[in-house]
Amino acid sequence: GQNIDQPTEMTATEGAIVQINCTYQTSGFNGLFWYQQHAGEAPTFLSYNVLDGLEEKGRFSSFLSRSKGYSYLLLKELQMKDSASYLCAGGGDYGQNFVFGPGTRLSVLP
Amino acid sequence: EAQVTQNPRYLITVTGKKLTVTCSQNMNHEYMSWYRQDPGLGLRQIYYSMNVEVTDKGDVPEGYKVSRKEKRNFPLILESPSPNQTSLYFCASSHRGGDEQYFGPGTRLTVT
Repeated sequence: GQNIDQPTEMTATEGAIVQINCTYQTSGFNGLFWYQQHAGEAPTFLSYNVLDGLEEKGRFSSFLSRSKGYSYLLLKELQMKDSASYLCAGGGDYGQNFVFGPGTRLSVLP
Repeated sequence: EAQVTQNPRYLITVTGKKLTVTCSQNMNHEYMSWYRQDPGLGLRQIYYSMNVEVTDKGDVPEGYKVSRKEKRNFPLILESPSPNQTSLYFCASSHRGGDEQYFGPGTRLTVT
């Protein structure tokens, strides 16, 4: 199956900017998703990149380079409620072989 | 309200006693999927379904069965549960395969 790598944990300060990286094998993925998961809750969709480049959505932006198998999620103006795990994920065109990365647990400190 | 529901939310059972976890969505989604989440291993896909009567294996299908007889329902069946199936299970759905997925609240299963 596909391999997806993310840092296990990150810490940042309220109000700061943090970048969470994700690398993956380049074959088999139609695009790349980012999900947020608060402790004890279900994942919720944040963003999807199917083309190379940056997609901006309020405080969150996501970048994709398909040729390099690399993506990042950028969170600006961090808030305490952003403390959560961030999962990158991808699969085939029809949702087959859908794989999640191990997740990056972000702690936002006051 | 658009949602994915799962039942039960918590279940403690014994080895070998057949059980079913139900999943239902009210969004008329074509694609549904089951995942398990374990510490250190992340979310892994068990089975998915692209539409009624169309199901396929994910990464970890051993010990599980699914069926998709109606568009809204996608039950997960454990015919003979074992302790290594103790996990947090999520059902998810999307408009079509490849779209963003909406997750149910999760079912925490313990098999003793």
